[in-house]
Amino acid sequence: DGGITQSPKYLFRKEGQNVTLSCEQNLNHDAMYWYRQDPGQGLRLIYYSQIVNDFQKGDIAEGYSVSREKKESFPLTVTSAQKNPTAFYLCASSRRDSKNIQYFGAGTRLSVL
Amino acid sequence: AQKITQTQPGMFVQEKEAVTLDCTYDTSDPSYGLFWYKQPSSGEMIFLIYQGSYDQQNATEGRYSLNFQKARKSANLVISASQLGDSAMYFCAMRELDRGSTLGRLYFGRGTQLTVWP
Repeated sequence: DGGITQSPKYLFRKEGQNVTLSCEQNLNHDAMYWYRQDPGQGLRLIYYSQIVNDFQKGDIAEGYSVSREKKESFPLTVTSAQKNPTAFYLCASSRRDSKNIQYFGAGTRLSVL
Repeated sequence: AQKITQTQPGMFVQEKEAVTLDCTYDTSDPSYGLFWYKQPSSGEMIFLIYQGSYDQQNATEGRYSLNFQKARKSANLVISASQLGDSAMYFCAMRELDRGSTLGRLYFGRGTQLTVWP
């Protein structure tokens, strides 16, 4: 079955540590996205990528980094510069067409120890 | 300014009844898309329905329909014959083209928590 896989489901970060969230899709979508969701809030865009080896900052990119070496994969690294990383992180992908419907993974919940 | 406004933090509906979730949007782009997503307690965002700004007819997907009123900039979601499994958070979103990009990006509202009771 086609879909988007995020791992791990739960992740804990120690002070000063970088952590990487995985996102893999087998939908053959060109575009991929990372969002952050805080309690009681909507989603905010962190980074997105239209094609391999290219990505753009969203509204809250500070303290995060991404790479897009393969079409299927778009990992997100939460760096030590991100002072408030506790949140729910959602990855999405879409075709690059007129509708641009985004389909989401199940999410990763990140907490600070 | 908020691009997407959902004014109902919570809504309650009895099973088998219809319910309308409100959404208003703000854009100056002539070409945009409107979306509704469902987020159950598990956290996954589930795509429900899409409406393009140039679409003449309101979108429908099974029990979901989107009441698109372009002049009022509203895109309300109507769920007919509510089911207990419809209890979830519902998010309205709008796609605009990002500057310098050929790709649209989504702006989300804060969501409406729908509770369906027997």
